[in-house]
Amino acid sequence: AQSVTQPDIHITVSEGASLELRCNYSYGATPYLFWYVQSPGQGLQLLLKYFSGDTLVQGIKGFEAEFKRSQSSFNLRKPSVHWSDAAEYFCAVGATGTASKLTFGTGTRLQVTL
Amino acid sequence: EAGVTQSPTHLIKTRGQQATLRCSPISGHTSVYWYQQALGLGLQFLLWYDEGEERNRGNFPPRFSGRQFPNYSSELNVNALELEDSALYLCASSQDWDQPQHFGDGTRLSIL
Repeated sequence: AQSVTQPDIHITVSEGASLELRCNYSYGATPYLFWYVQSPGQGLQLLLKYFSGDTLVQGIKGFEAEFKRSQSSFNLRKPSVHWSDAAEYFCAVGATGTASKLTFGTGTRLQVTL
Repeated sequence: EAGVTQSPTHLIKTRGQQATLRCSPISGHTSVYWYQQALGLGLQFLLWYDEGEERNRGNFPPRFSGRQFPNYSSELNVNALELEDSALYLCASSQDWDQPQHFGDGTRLSIL
């Protein structure tokens, strides 16, 4: 069965600094990978997805992620963080060759200092 | 375009009662998913409905059940409520099994 690991529970960055959130997955074939963001009291918003093709994917709000098969990673990056980016970020993998039945990581809580 | 809508926003029940949560998918989406986000347990897949059929379920007891209606909206029913059922229940929808899921804001279920 697939699994997702987000090794960082909590990250603090200064506004304007760059950000990288780590995600490692365990999956036998080419996975369907996602990053979602959750603000307090709200649902999940899709930031970006990787299904196939170009390993560098662009998302909303200036985020990007790079799929690295050799490292089983799908790290999320942003060159300059804004205070409004403070939220919890979840990496997820879809069930066998699909985007259904998502398995989520435990999340990384991002705090942004001014 | 309206997003995924869930009702009610909050639901308070006591142990042993039954709860019904509702979800309306994005227009044109035929797949509906349910997830539980419980404190300390993270986001866990509950159920997947597509074209009115249950396609997959997560590792939850049978007292968690649901259905999908002809208009693709869905209900999640939880019977014989237990304290550990307290959680945020999130509904998501997608156009197909190979399309990204879009989430609603959830129903917070509290068991007293």
